Amino acid sequence: DIQLTQSPSSLSASVGDRVTIPCQASHDIRNSLNWYQHKPGKAPKLLIYDSSNLETGVPSRFSGSGSGTHFNLTITSLQPEDTATYYCQQHVNLPPYTFGRGTKLELK
Amino acid sequence: QVQLVESGGGLVKPGGSLRLSCAASGFAFRNSYMNWIRQAPGKGLEWVAYIGTGDSPIYYADSVEGRFTISRDDAKNSLYLQMNSLRAEDTAVYYCARAVDFGSNSYFDYWGQGTLVTVSS
Repeated sequence: DIQLTQSPSSLSASVGDRVTIPCQASHDIRNSLNWYQHKPGKAPKLLIYDSSNLETGVPSRFSGSGSGTHFNLTITSLQPEDTATYYCQQHVNLPPYTFGRGTKLELK
Repeated sequence: QVQLVESGGGLVKPGGSLRLSCAASGFAFRNSYMNWIRQAPGKGLEWVAYIGTGDSPIYYADSVEGRFTISRDDAKNSLYLQMNSLRAEDTAVYYCARAVDFGSNSYFDYWGQGTLVTVSS
């Protein structure tokens, strides 16, 4: 199975900062990588699909990049409501679907 | 407005059983690939089970294979997860979610709020 590594597991930044959250796949997954935002007590929310496609309704300060084994989620100007845990997820062939362990983003 | 509403969670003893339900509305449930995904306390998201349209195909995570059964009732726009032989490590919030296939990729676009399952004596 393909493994996804998210490191660091947590990071802190200030309002207005540019933040990059990395995700590394154990094998080439082309651009089949998706990103979710998860706040406590809420349903996870799809942000980015297929590495760089912004889901409808997601603010344009969120963007995704990468292909093969290295991917990034970038927030260009961090807002207070962006504090959450961010997960990458892949599905190249049949299940299992795989999630990374998540990166918790906090405000300084 | 899309809604996925889970129910059926609760406290159960190790070795016990529980049946989760997910009521869907606001989208074409019959034509959708549905999943159960869970999050154990302090842990990340873990995919549990998948059911395709027309009840096929069905897939399970290794951790629940042989103990959990996913099913659907398209007439009732409902998804189910029958959980048997429950273990402490099955304690988690269980989410139902719709999967969308996009080329060779697949992602989850609709999620419920989750229902908590606690396995403890």
